[in-house]
Amino acid sequence: DAKTTQPTSMDCAEGRAANLPCNHSTISGNEYVYWYRQIHSQGPQYIIHGLKNNETNEMASLIITEDRKSSTLILPHATLRDTAVYYCIVRVTGGSQGNLIFGKGTKLSVKP
Amino acid sequence: GAVVSQHPSRVICKSGTSVKIECRSLDFQATTMFWYRQFPKKSLMLMATSNEGSKATYEQGVEKDKFLINHASLTLSTLTVTSAHPEDSSFYICSARTSGTGELFFGEGSRLTVL
Repeated sequence: DAKTTQPTSMDCAEGRAANLPCNHSTISGNEYVYWYRQIHSQGPQYIIHGLKNNETNEMASLIITEDRKSSTLILPHATLRDTAVYYCIVRVTGGSQGNLIFGKGTKLSVKP
Repeated sequence: GAVVSQHPSRVICKSGTSVKIECRSLDFQATTMFWYRQFPKKSLMLMATSNEGSKATYEQGVEKDKFLINHASLTLSTLTVTSAHPEDSSFYICSARTSGTGELFFGEGSRLTVL
């Protein structure tokens, strides 16, 4: 699976949009971009994933650049409960391996 | 989304004893489950891949005789930490892969403290 690069930490004001970047310049054509987050002392929580089109669900939006070498996770109205470590991962869905390789992620701190 | 449950969520044991952690997929069948370990302020590290009905595949550096994995059914995988030592104290997390879409869902984690 391709490696990803994320900023170590970010701050965001409560109620504002949180934009978390991720670089995945070596992504292969059949690899999806996945985002998970981990709140302290809990298991990772799935947020969203996409291949090349932008995606939106009830939690977040995912913007993938046209060349697919980077993406941005957007939390439109961050709350204090969104404070967590956010992981950007690329993997082949349904592949024979299928495991997720976690990097260090971005520690997002939402402040009142 | 699909639900994966781990038990126990917290366990404290004495050095030298064995501890079993269960991972269950509650509303789907998982032919493949993964076990991760996470030390404080570190990222998740994959320990092993557990396939139903066959032997687990361990990552480099993970002792298979110390971390016994059993995946006897499509909804249950267990991790047994044998002869636990204080350095085995960690947060152990499992994930299960759906057979259809291949999506991965995680358990809540189990915090092991070895005294």
